[in-house]
Amino acid sequence: AQKVTQAQTEISVVEKEDVTLDCVYETRDTTYYLFWYKQPPSGELVFLIRRNSFDEQNEISGRYSWNFQKSTSSFNFTITASQVVDSAVYFCALSEAGSGYSTLTFGKGTMLLVSP
Amino acid sequence: DAGVIQSPRHEVTEMGQEVTLRCKPISGHDYLFWYRQTMMRGLELLIYFNNNVPIDDSGMPEDRFSAKMPNASFSTLKIQPSEPRDSAVYFCASSLFTGGRSGELFFGEGSRLTVL
Repeated sequence: AQKVTQAQTEISVVEKEDVTLDCVYETRDTTYYLFWYKQPPSGELVFLIRRNSFDEQNEISGRYSWNFQKSTSSFNFTITASQVVDSAVYFCALSEAGSGYSTLTFGKGTMLLVSP
Repeated sequence: DAGVIQSPRHEVTEMGQEVTLRCKPISGHDYLFWYRQTMMRGLELLIYFNNNVPIDDSGMPEDRFSAKMPNASFSTLKIQPSEPRDSAVYFCASSLFTGGRSGELFFGEGSRLTVL
């Protein structure tokens, strides 16, 4: 079973629309970290956010916001007023206490295409 | 500051040839990771090092794959002999693990390998 599931393979929106990328994770650890990374067309993965399992507060950073809900094991990512530059593949990832937090397990990614 | 530097960016080779991918991590980072990205399998962790010592190589697909880190500023991933199914983008990433910064990986731009 996948530890990190991103059910949406590809999403297409028009500029200025809001879009939510879903992430569901699975772990037996009570302590863990969740991440989102962005992979633009250039290919390099870029860190966006890290959230630990004890902090369920939602976070907002500009047009980006994250909704962490332990009850549903979800860590969803919303882009408000999307822009063409947001077009990329977005990965959700999990780091567990069991691995000493040393490694990240990535979901398969969601490709977001924002058209003008 | 320079990020993670990988070379070559692109490599096309014929089946059976030896391939060597190179990585220079960010100075001061004590963890180095090699990931492989394919459409079918997404991002897979191949191996990671801590202070130049290989910690977990369970992701290395076969004995044809080997990785070394002779010093803190250089690592190689070698495939010998290469096969068409090795075609993928190989990413190197480094990180500095200090408590709250656990898991924030800095990725290189990747080496796209095509084996004909």
